[in-house]
Amino acid sequence: KAGVTQTPRYLIKTRGQQVTLSCSPISGHRSVSWYQQTPGQGLQFLFEYFSETQRNKGNFPGRFSGRQFSNSRSEMNVSTLELGDSALYLCASSLGTVGGNTEAFFGQGTRLTVV
Amino acid sequence: SQQGEEDPQALSIQEGENATMNCSYKTSINNLQWYRQNSGRGLVHLILIRSNEREKHSGRLRVTLDTSKKSSSLLITASRAADTASYFCATGPALSGGSYIPTFGRGTSLIVHP
Repeated sequence: KAGVTQTPRYLIKTRGQQVTLSCSPISGHRSVSWYQQTPGQGLQFLFEYFSETQRNKGNFPGRFSGRQFSNSRSEMNVSTLELGDSALYLCASSLGTVGGNTEAFFGQGTRLTVV
Repeated sequence: SQQGEEDPQALSIQEGENATMNCSYKTSINNLQWYRQNSGRGLVHLILIRSNEREKHSGRLRVTLDTSKKSSSLLITASRAADTASYFCATGPALSGGSYIPTFGRGTSLIVHP
């Protein structure tokens, strides 16, 4: 069973540009969550998608957006990049069932560096 | 603010020793999960313990949960150099739509010296 796949693994962008990250969840998983990890703030929840709908959202500005496709693959977009957006972006997939007594499985992450 | 907070922030031990990490949280939970992260990589799920469970084992891992104290501990027995990683606890209530979003602490950095 394939795990969670994130592409690309590494990315270097210039301030002001925009970037799109991709996440393919485990087959059969309908929930995809995105996290930002930085040394200073730790793991911060960005948003969760379930069946192509954003179901929950963290406290990030509108420059951070996402979407989910019918095959459950998800993309995350960051517009007008700032230096502070440099981070490891992780996505996690799960069954997303009500009550949530299931594990979340993480991808290897995309390391974004903004210069 | 983070829901789960791990303690200690860093732990350095010799191979063969046991390592104990603690997690405290603030609100009621459905379950608590422990994850491991090797440097700069994704998180690996270790174990999930439900709110009605008190102890759970998986190989060399032992997790306890005390809901009255809102705390959990992760014990790694007979540690190995390969156990060197950051360990996170994740908690969170069910949110809107029934989804469960793990909320992470800052982690415990474990170093096991060979």
